[in-house]
Amino acid sequence: DTGVSQNPRHKITKRGQNVTFRCDPISEHNRLYWYRQTLGQGPEFLTYFQNEAQLEKSRLLSDRFSAERPKGSFSTLEIQRTEQGDSAMYLCASSPDRGYDKNIQYFGAGTRLSVL
Amino acid sequence: GENVEQHPSTLSVQEGDSAVIKCTYSDSASNYFPWYKQELGKGPQLIIDIRSNVGEKKDQRIAVTLNKTAKHFSLHITETQPEDSAVYFCAARETSYDKVIFGPGTSLSVIP
Repeated sequence: DTGVSQNPRHKITKRGQNVTFRCDPISEHNRLYWYRQTLGQGPEFLTYFQNEAQLEKSRLLSDRFSAERPKGSFSTLEIQRTEQGDSAMYLCASSPDRGYDKNIQYFGAGTRLSVL
Repeated sequence: GENVEQHPSTLSVQEGDSAVIKCTYSDSASNYFPWYKQELGKGPQLIIDIRSNVGEKKDQRIAVTLNKTAKHFSLHITETQPEDSAVYFCAARETSYDKVIFGPGTSLSVIP
């Protein structure tokens, strides 16, 4: 396991369609985070999992967004009825919850979403 | 909640010169301050971090300083090289749920 893996790397969709992204964290990391990054901005926090429990959701995460981490391993982020404003890079990060690296977040390469 | 500001938004330096990026944070309870480097088409990569019980940390050409009283922290890169060109983000960790809040980024260009 060499790092956080995100798929797909790019997704182009039409407005109104649903999309789903997958994140595979570093295997021993209990914590998993989703961020959204638009051009010229820093990553914005969306949601956070401790194992399979979703502990916090940002107000940025509207009802059209849902995230799951069913077995405490990989996570999915689904956007329903996509809008052009959803176009962004969606980043996933993971971190251990103990040890010296506790809470240091390691990022994947992201999924770039373009909504036409 | 935490708010992180970062300056400058763009920075151009000659190869071999130093680069300094400054950040401020709002929540005095924040206790962990990472710095990330993001290259085009890639996710952010942690380059150095500092915890609130330390005033300065160094790793080869990179150093970070923290002033808890003023709620300032800075990244210093010495002897810059063209491969240092990237966008750099400072961040601060909120104590609730360990959420990390990022600054808006600094685009660093190192001119050969």
